Amino acid sequence: QSALTQPPSASGSPGQSVTISCTGTSFDVGAYNFVSWYQQNPGEAPKIIIYEVSKRSSGVPDRFSGSKSGNTASLTVSGLQGDDEADYYCGSYAGNNWVFGGGTKLTVL
Amino acid sequence: QSQLQESGPGLVKPSETLSLTCTVSGGSISNRAYYWGWVRQAPVKGLEYIGSIYYSGNTYYNPSLKSRVTISIDTSKNQFSLEMRSVTAADTAVYFCVRHLLPPSAWFGPWGQGTLVTVSS
Repeated sequence: QSALTQPPSASGSPGQSVTISCTGTSFDVGAYNFVSWYQQNPGEAPKIIIYEVSKRSSGVPDRFSGSKSGNTASLTVSGLQGDDEADYYCGSYAGNNWVFGGGTKLTVL
Repeated sequence: QSQLQESGPGLVKPSETLSLTCTVSGGSISNRAYYWGWVRQAPVKGLEYIGSIYYSGNTYYNPSLKSRVTISIDTSKNQFSLEMRSVTAADTAVYFCVRHLLPPSAWFGPWGQGTLVTVSS
C-alpha cells in the first residue's frame, strides 16, 4: 500500500479537463510545499512534470497545473489530448524521506 | 543533462543480496547541486523511494528499508551503487536510478531507463 492515496483511474474526452487527487498526511503533503507529479508511459521511466506543488518542468505545456489544499494535492490536465494518456504519480517530501502515490491511469476517451 | 544507466543481475535468489550500479554520463557525480538515488516499482504497483547519496557520502534511506540497504558512491568512476540484503519475492521490481536536487526541494529527474530484478530460486 502506497503512502499517498491516488484514484486508480481517471478519464476524460479530448478537450475536457480532468483532475487527479493525491492525499497524504500532515507529515508529508500537508507539511511541505514539495509535492511533485510524474508522467509515465508504458515501458518507460517516469518523467517529472510538476514540482514544488505547482511549478511546471521545462517543456511541459501549461495545460498541466498543480495545486494543494491541506493534505491533498491535485494535478489538473486541461484541454485533454490523446498523448496525455499515461500513468501519473504524485510524490512528496516527508522529512528526510520521500513518499509516492500508487499512481492513476489516465484514459483519454 | 546527465544520463543515468543501471546495470546488474536480473535474477537474485531469495535471502541473497541484490547489487546494482548506476553509471552517470554527461555530468559529474560530484556536482554539489545533486543527490543520486534509487526508486523501485514493483509489478503493477506504485513507486517506492529506496534511498539517496551525496558526493560526500551523506545518505538518506527509506526507514522501511534502511536495515537492509546500503548505497555507496565512487566519484572516480562516476558511479553509485545499491546493495539490498536478505531479499524476498516482495523485492521483485524495476529499479530506477535517479538524480535529485538537495532536500527538501528534491524532485526526481532525470531517471535511468530502469532494470527489472526478479527474486526467485
